[in-house]
Amino acid sequence: NAGVMQNPRHLVRRRGQEARLRCSPMKGHSHVYWYRQLPEEGLKFMVYLQKENIIDESGMPKERFSAEFPKEGPSILRIQQVVRGDSAAYFCASPPQGRESTDTQYFGPGTRLTVL
Amino acid sequence: GESVGLHLPTLSVQEGDNSIINCAYSNSASDYFIWYKQESGKGPQFIIDIRSNMDKRQGQRVTVLLNKTVKHLSLQIAATQPGDSAVYFCAEKGGTSYGKLTFGQGTILTVHP
Repeated sequence: NAGVMQNPRHLVRRRGQEARLRCSPMKGHSHVYWYRQLPEEGLKFMVYLQKENIIDESGMPKERFSAEFPKEGPSILRIQQVVRGDSAAYFCASPPQGRESTDTQYFGPGTRLTVL
Repeated sequence: GESVGLHLPTLSVQEGDNSIINCAYSNSASDYFIWYKQESGKGPQFIIDIRSNMDKRQGQRVTVLLNKTVKHLSLQIAATQPGDSAVYFCAEKGGTSYGKLTFGQGTILTVHP
């Protein structure tokens, strides 16, 4: 997990509020994958971004969810008007340093979102 | 649709025993597989990976076996230790040029001292 940074680690929101989750990939890498993990389940792919581009967002809910990876700064996963069903752990991943292939992914510590 | 599943949701072993965690996958186009370990409250930790042109790969105390004929993957942990207690996930990359992974449900490994 070393090198992939996520914040905040824990986030509490009330229904209807917005949640912003941030991820910085491994140093030198411009690829970020976001996954969601519901309690007692495996991780589910949400979106894959490269700097300033969304490559694959096939796992993103059609409404309320968006992701970006600007030229400067971390990748942001944004959830508008949160509902209780959004409560989950959100992980981002990026390829490790020194690897040309983008297949291998190292994960960050995650953001645990709780919607009250 | 694509799916990756595990045969055993829980596995309990004694310290020092060998552990075997199994995983079945359904996407014949999958060409890359990873095993992850996840401890409570933490992110998945990379353990070992294998590409579809191999059938076996060894790491430190771990071995991954791939049987493409029956679409089966296993993780063997030698001399299991209490610190190995965690949830183990297999993940596959199927049909994409980038690392979009599909995860299985997970196996809970408990190691008794």
